[in-house]
Amino acid sequence: SQTIHQWPATLVQPVGSPLSLECTVEGTSNPNLYWYRQAAGRGLQLLFYSVGIGQISSEVPQNLSASRPQDRQFILSSKKLLLSDSGFYLCAWNRDRGTDTQYFGPGTRLTVL
Amino acid sequence: AQTVTQSQPEMSVQEAETVTLSCTYDTSESDYYLFWYKQPPSRQMILVIRQEAYKQQNATENRFSVNFQKAAKSFSLKISDSQLGDAAMYFCAYRSATTGFQKLVFGTGTRLLVSP
Repeated sequence: SQTIHQWPATLVQPVGSPLSLECTVEGTSNPNLYWYRQAAGRGLQLLFYSVGIGQISSEVPQNLSASRPQDRQFILSSKKLLLSDSGFYLCAWNRDRGTDTQYFGPGTRLTVL
Repeated sequence: AQTVTQSQPEMSVQEAETVTLSCTYDTSESDYYLFWYKQPPSRQMILVIRQEAYKQQNATENRFSVNFQKAAKSFSLKISDSQLGDAAMYFCAYRSATTGFQKLVFGTGTRLLVSP
């Protein structure tokens, strides 16, 4: 069966510090990968998606970037965090088929102080 | 662009009762998918139910069922025999079936409270 992992689970960072959140998927190959952000009391907003190694598309211009160094690894980064980067970050995956449902990881709660 | 609207910020239900959560969406496409996700206090998003727009039959998953009205662009979730474990945020989501990229568009969510 497939599983998706995210770490860390919780992170508190000062403004201006760098960020690295990691997501990995097990039990499948060549997944589509997604990063979403959920601000307090809001729905999910798609940040980045990837259909393969090194292939990243951005949905929202912002202070964040994403990379996919390996087939089942997706990283969300920032060089300098802003207060507005606080939120809950969710990674999701699905198979490279048009009908497949997205499945979410446990998420990372990021607080920028 | 597609939009999803959940007009009920919060709903309450008693155990064993039935509750319906509302969702409307706006799209010009004819082929798409609709989802209900549950987000419990742990905050992990869990798929509850999925509906293909080309199917006239409403999807059901145990105590969860949907009322899909394509012409009205409405997609409500009915929870029967509510349980304490159903308490969570519920998000309605839309995904195009015609574009190559499978972007999910979410509503703002409905918080479901379940009382004994």
